[in-house]
Amino acid sequence: EAQVTQNPRYLITVTGKKLTVTCSQNMNHEYMSWYRQDPGLGLRQIYYSMNVEVTDKGDVPEGYKVSRKEKRNFPLILESPSPNQTSLYFCASSLSGDRLYGQYFGPGTRLTVT
Amino acid sequence: AQKVTQAQTEISVVEKEDVTLDCVYETRDTTYYLFWYKQPPSGELVFLIRRNSFDEQNEISGRYSWNFQKSTSSFNFTITASQVVDSAVYFCALKRNTDKLIFGTGTRLQVFP
Repeated sequence: EAQVTQNPRYLITVTGKKLTVTCSQNMNHEYMSWYRQDPGLGLRQIYYSMNVEVTDKGDVPEGYKVSRKEKRNFPLILESPSPNQTSLYFCASSLSGDRLYGQYFGPGTRLTVT
Repeated sequence: AQKVTQAQTEISVVEKEDVTLDCVYETRDTTYYLFWYKQPPSGELVFLIRRNSFDEQNEISGRYSWNFQKSTSSFNFTITASQVVDSAVYFCALKRNTDKLIFGTGTRLQVFP
């Protein structure tokens, strides 16, 4: 089954404690992206990757890091989480250049930073 | 500037009413794609429809229909005979000639029995 998986689905952590949210897709997609969703703001892109070893900032990259060492994985790293990073996070993937389709989204990770 | 505006923050209707969710977009591109996603209370994003800029034909899928009008840069979504299960947040999104999706802020639809 074609899918994007994220782990963990829920996470409560404290300020400053490094964390990683994993994202994996099994569709051989080149393009992967992270979004955060906040009330009244919709989904905003954090980082994206056009292919292995190619990453770039989205609209709200501050406080986040990503890596793309393998095509299927695109982890999101918060080196020193802060309460303003409490949000719902979505990973997404798509075939690069495939304009016809939207992106496949993971189930979301709800992060709370206290 | 590329932008998607969903002016309706929240809409409440009673079951069986028809409801239209508005979406207005801005782009200078001649080729672009428009999408609607549904986010039920469980939180996942469910793809509903895509439409490219060259196809202004309206589409109907069961109780759902979409009205794409390039002249007014709108891509509105109508649910006919709404049901409680339609209660969700609905997002409109724009994809230009890149891979990036630009989302609107969403419209929360509540359908009461």
